[in-house]
Amino acid sequence: EAGVAQSPRYKIIEKRQSVAFWCNPISGHATLYWYQQILGQGPKLLIQFQNNGVVDDSQLPKDRFSAERLKGVDSTLKIQPAKLEDSAVYLCASSLQGSYEQYFGPGTRLTVT
Amino acid sequence: GENVEQHPSTLSVQEGDSAVIKCTYSDSASNYFPWYKQELGKGPQLIIDIRSNVGEKKDQRIAVTLNKTAKHFSLHITETQPEDSAVYFCAASISSGSARQLTFGSGTQLTVLP
Repeated sequence: EAGVAQSPRYKIIEKRQSVAFWCNPISGHATLYWYQQILGQGPKLLIQFQNNGVVDDSQLPKDRFSAERLKGVDSTLKIQPAKLEDSAVYLCASSLQGSYEQYFGPGTRLTVT
Repeated sequence: GENVEQHPSTLSVQEGDSAVIKCTYSDSASNYFPWYKQELGKGPQLIIDIRSNVGEKKDQRIAVTLNKTAKHFSLHITETQPEDSAVYFCAASISSGSARQLTFGSGTQLTVLP
């Protein structure tokens, strides 16, 4: 079974530029999560989707971050404009509907200069 | 909100010895406690988990214990091998409807010395 796919794996941008990350969850997983992992810390939840609806976005900095999952499968996370403190690994995870177990992708490492 | 503290931040053991990592959580409503292993350049990998209605769970060389009264849980790895070297994260989850928010600890860098 294929795991969670993410692209790109690495991205370097200058501050005030915009960037987008893509995630394809495990087939059949209705729930999708985006996490931010700053170096040396544990992942922090940004947003949770169930199918194409938002379940929890309480920790998403909505002034600059946005996410969508239009068809209930793939998802994109966007940052506009980026700040230096956005440098982190952005992880996507998925789970079966109602399940607790979350499975993570390899992440996208973002460096903002 | 939930707060998870994890200790130690670094741990070195000799190959074949046991390793223990401890976590505490703050919200008594948390009901699911997974442990993840993260290797360099990779995403976290779920290695074992425990629900709040269970006190202990074992899977080969890995075991997790939960003390709901004290609000702490621990990961035990026996007969450690060099390939166990990685960063380990504990997490706690509060479920509310379909929301499954995981709050992670700060991680433990485990090094198994050959």
